[in-house]
Amino acid sequence: GEDVEQSLFLSVREGDSSVINCTYTDSSSTYLYWYKQEPGAGLQLLTYIFSNMDMKQDQRLTVLLNKKDKHLSLRIADTQTGDSAIYFCAESGGAGSYQLTFGKGTKLSVIP
Amino acid sequence: NAGVMQNPRHLVRRRGQEARLRCSPMKGHSHVYWYRQLPEEGLKFMVYLQKENIIDESGMPKERFSAEFPKEGPSILRIQQVVRGDSAAYFCASSSRDRVYEQYFGPGTRLTVT
Repeated sequence: GEDVEQSLFLSVREGDSSVINCTYTDSSSTYLYWYKQEPGAGLQLLTYIFSNMDMKQDQRLTVLLNKKDKHLSLRIADTQTGDSAIYFCAESGGAGSYQLTFGKGTKLSVIP
Repeated sequence: NAGVMQNPRHLVRRRGQEARLRCSPMKGHSHVYWYRQLPEEGLKFMVYLQKENIIDESGMPKERFSAEFPKEGPSILRIQQVVRGDSAAYFCASSSRDRVYEQYFGPGTRLTVT
């Protein structure tokens, strides 16, 4: 079955860049996502990338997709304390699939 | 422009009671998805509904769990005879018909079974 893996923790200093990595197994994934979850809150859709793209940039966020290696990363430039949260990588299945498969989340801690 | 609404935000039930979780999709969205998040885990898909139709319930436990999305009113996730293992955060997401890949999540209902 599909699987999404990500490291559990990342700690960075305020102002540095953060890079959160994710690997997935479903080669038919159509979309890959990054969601942000703050304590006690729901998931906020940060960005997503279509599988035929290899990069997407949106302000401080850069998503890189290596489809050959099934590797997805999220880079946050100039990380702020407000970026402290859990970041979930997710993938949707083949064409038309609505089921998102999530990783366990990476807890990003930003040190002032 | 209200987002996805869920209520209650927190729900405590004793073992054997019923839990009803409600979800109102974002304005203009007609598709609803329920996910469950167990402690220290990612979210797991449960069910996908459109108005008056269950499209995919492949992630729902076979017993005690049911979901509906009536023509009027919110979507309801119902758990009968709750057990301790049902304690989790239940998230609802919604999308438009044309962009089912763009799912927006509500704040979740945290169910605690005592």
